[in-house]
Amino acid sequence: GEDVEQSLFLSVREGDSSVINCTYTDSSSTYLYWYKQEPGAGLQLLTYIFSNMDMKQDQRLTVLLNKKDKHLSLRIADTQTGDSAIYFCAEKGTGTASKLTFGTGTRLQVTL
Amino acid sequence: NAGVTQTPKFRVLKTGQSMTLLCAQDMNHEYMYWYRQDPGMGLRLIHYSVGEGTTAKGEVPDGYNVSRLKKQNFLLGLESAAPSQTSVYFCASIHPRTPNEQYFGPGTRLTVT
Repeated sequence: GEDVEQSLFLSVREGDSSVINCTYTDSSSTYLYWYKQEPGAGLQLLTYIFSNMDMKQDQRLTVLLNKKDKHLSLRIADTQTGDSAIYFCAEKGTGTASKLTFGTGTRLQVTL
Repeated sequence: NAGVTQTPKFRVLKTGQSMTLLCAQDMNHEYMYWYRQDPGMGLRLIHYSVGEGTTAKGEVPDGYNVSRLKKQNFLLGLESAAPSQTSVYFCASIHPRTPNEQYFGPGTRLTVT
């Protein structure tokens, strides 16, 4: 089946850029997503990218997609302490019901 | 507009007990999902529903049953709880016309002893 992988932990200093990486195996993925989960809360959709795009920018967030290598990244510019959370990558294939396959999540720690 | 709500927020069960988790959404969404979240494993899909009266199995359905008798509610049942079902359970919903906006509930933390 589909597989989505992420590194488990990333630590950055406040004000630096964070880059969270994700790899996936499903070559038929139509959309790829980044979700944020703060402690004790559900998942919040941050951004998504269509599979025929290379890049998408949304304020401090930049998503890069390398479809050939099945690699997705999320860059957060000027990282703030409020960005500390778990970030999940997810992909949607061509099947019905819009089912998503999630990565393991990357815990981002922002230090002062 | 409350979005997606889940009841209860926390529960402790003994092995063999049963319970039902309730997910409710007030956004008139067709599709609803139940996931479980375990450390280091991300979210895994348990069951899902594409409309009232329909349900289907996800990636990890064993030990769970679901029902979607009303469009706004999606129930997840554990008939005989096991320690392996200790997890955080999330419900989500989407409208098929806006499939890129999946709304999540706040989660139910279940411990089975």
